[in-house]
Amino acid sequence: EIVLTQSPGTLSLSPGERATLSCRASQSVSNNYLAWYQQKPGQAPRLLIYGASSRATGIPDRFSGSGSGTDFTLTISRLGPEDFAVYYCQQYGSSPRYTFGQGTKLEIK
Amino acid sequence: EVQLVESGGGFVQPGGSLRLSCAASGVTFSTSGMNWVRQSPGKGLEWVSYISSSSKAKYYADSVKGRFTISRDNGKDSLYLQMDSLRAEDTAMYYCASWGGHDSGSGSFLGPFDFWGQGTLVAVSS
Repeated sequence: EIVLTQSPGTLSLSPGERATLSCRASQSVSNNYLAWYQQKPGQAPRLLIYGASSRATGIPDRFSGSGSGTDFTLTISRLGPEDFAVYYCQQYGSSPRYTFGQGTKLEIK
Repeated sequence: EVQLVESGGGFVQPGGSLRLSCAASGVTFSTSGMNWVRQSPGKGLEWVSYISSSSKAKYYADSVKGRFTISRDNGKDSLYLQMDSLRAEDTAMYYCASWGGHDSGSGSFLGPFDFWGQGTLVAVSS
């Protein structure tokens, strides 16, 4: 089973700054089947990125994903006030199970 | 517009049972792989179970295997989760979630979760 470790646990930044979130896998993620989700308090998660770097429908281009193998990154180029939330990475694909990272909380500094 | 609406949550004593439902609309349910995902209060996301479009493939997290049963009714566009032998650690918000792509039915590919419901809360306590 692939274990996903996200860092940092909490990231404190100001609006307008650039955010870089990391997701590291315990073994290579096949075909880069790695997704990122955003979750705000009291809401269901929302898919941001799939296939490590493809934006989901309606996701602003300030969100970008990169990486391959075991190291993946979610970058938010200029933080808007609505971007402060918890972010999760997820491995999907051919394995008979999904796994999520433990989450990174992005908070206002 | 795709809508997934969960129901059936509530308060139950340890050892008890609950059956969750998820009603889908705005999506071709019969070709959608469906999942249950849970989130304990203040914690992260945990995938619980997957069922393929044809019901031929069903997968479970180790934490619920043997206690939970996933099923679906394509004629009613509905997904279910029968939860037996409930424990305190099963207390969580339960979400149904689906991949927007075409599920083959074989369970050979598990897609990311394009669509989520708003969740139903399950509380297990004596």
